[in-house]
Amino acid sequence: GAVVSQHPSWVICKSGTSVKIECRSLDFQATTMFWYRQFPKQSLMLMATSNEGSKATYEQGVEKDKFLINHASLTLSTLTVTSAHPEDSSFYICSARGGTSLAETQYFGPGTRLLVL
Amino acid sequence: GQNIDQPTEMTATEGAIVQINCTYQTSGFNGLFWYQQHAGEAPTFLSYNVLDGLEEKGRFSSFLSRSKGYSYLLLKELQMKDSASYLCAVMDSNYQLIWGAGTKLIIKP
Repeated sequence: GAVVSQHPSWVICKSGTSVKIECRSLDFQATTMFWYRQFPKQSLMLMATSNEGSKATYEQGVEKDKFLINHASLTLSTLTVTSAHPEDSSFYICSARGGTSLAETQYFGPGTRLLVL
Repeated sequence: GQNIDQPTEMTATEGAIVQINCTYQTSGFNGLFWYQQHAGEAPTFLSYNVLDGLEEKGRFSSFLSRSKGYSYLLLKELQMKDSASYLCAVMDSNYQLIWGAGTKLIIKP
């Protein structure tokens, strides 16, 4: 149980284009989903937290107009990187938390590698 | 401020035992998590401790002392596939996960 999928796993795009990444909880309902970014040899950096049906909460320094998050259902959240630039190239990872307790474990998707040329 | 400390890198021998320590200072405590992350992959959940003591799960065990702000992950009978980064994360009073930078574990034959 507790499987989270992400699609696509790899994206290569030109500078200025937008990229959408999907995160799905396959066998549980995710009341909360998290989006992280990880640069090589660095720790996970939380970008935003999203609850189903409400606006995402962004961490300080993360541009909400650039990283659009939609959590339309209990099993799907999307992250859209708008007008991507080479500095946005990174490993984007989502995680999902189910249940009613805020202390529930977060389960991670496999991640999406984004390369902006 | 909130802080999670763990060693940057450790080396151990196949078949041996290794202990990865994590100390934390956070605003409140709602549990401590250990995750394993292989290079180029997303983290996978290993353990969750919210009460003091040792939790054993196969070759992996995790220990917590809330009064000392201290945890360790113990890996026994090390295998080459255990080469990975091990992330310590603490859930604070707002139920936010505070992440350590991770410990890269290198296993040598």
